[in-house]
Amino acid sequence: KNEVEQSPQNLTAQEGEFITINCSYSVGISALHWLQQHPGGGIVSLFMLSSGKKKHGRLIATINIQEKHSSLHITASHPRDSAVYICAVPSWGNQFYFGTGTSLTVIP
Amino acid sequence: EAGVTQSPTHLIKTRGQQATLRCSPISGHTSVYWYQQALGLGLQFLLWYDEGEERNRGNFPPRFSGRQFPNYSSELNVNALELEDSALYLCASSRSDRGRNQPQHFGDGTRLSIL
Repeated sequence: KNEVEQSPQNLTAQEGEFITINCSYSVGISALHWLQQHPGGGIVSLFMLSSGKKKHGRLIATINIQEKHSSLHITASHPRDSAVYICAVPSWGNQFYFGTGTSLTVIP
Repeated sequence: EAGVTQSPTHLIKTRGQQATLRCSPISGHTSVYWYQQALGLGLQFLLWYDEGEERNRGNFPPRFSGRQFPNYSSELNVNALELEDSALYLCASSRSDRGRNQPQHFGDGTRLSIL
């Protein structure tokens, strides 16, 4: 069993749709990270959260520490949101465990 | 503010050779992380340096090594290259990360191809 599991693996949405990506983890953490990776490899850190909810523009991330679960929501999705979204969880000694990623395609 | 810079962008080597990848962190950042992303696989944690010392390493063989210099830049060295070492190698930096997670800023990566 992977320490970090994401779902779905692939997601295709129409422009404007509300999108949810889920992440469940089994390792103990101090903060969970959501990353965005565009074609070509560049990675951007979207959120780092240890409790509750954070919002940045159309992106919302929530975490439930007791249930070891986090969600990334995208409201009013746009084709430029097309990317791979990765959940990352640090364990002891800052050893990071990564989900396999969710590949999102938003169709105009 | 300049971001994390990695060099080279692409590197082509043959089996058995040695590769050196370089990373310059954002000014003021003392923690540097190295990750491997092989084709079809997710990101895997390789190494963490903080203030010049190796703090932790992932489940990789000893032929993967590195160092962090006094200016906090870092090198990743891979000896005795094998075909499965072909991957995108990403470097990230953050403010000192001991005991308290900090947001990480990623470079664009070095794509290493082993022929």
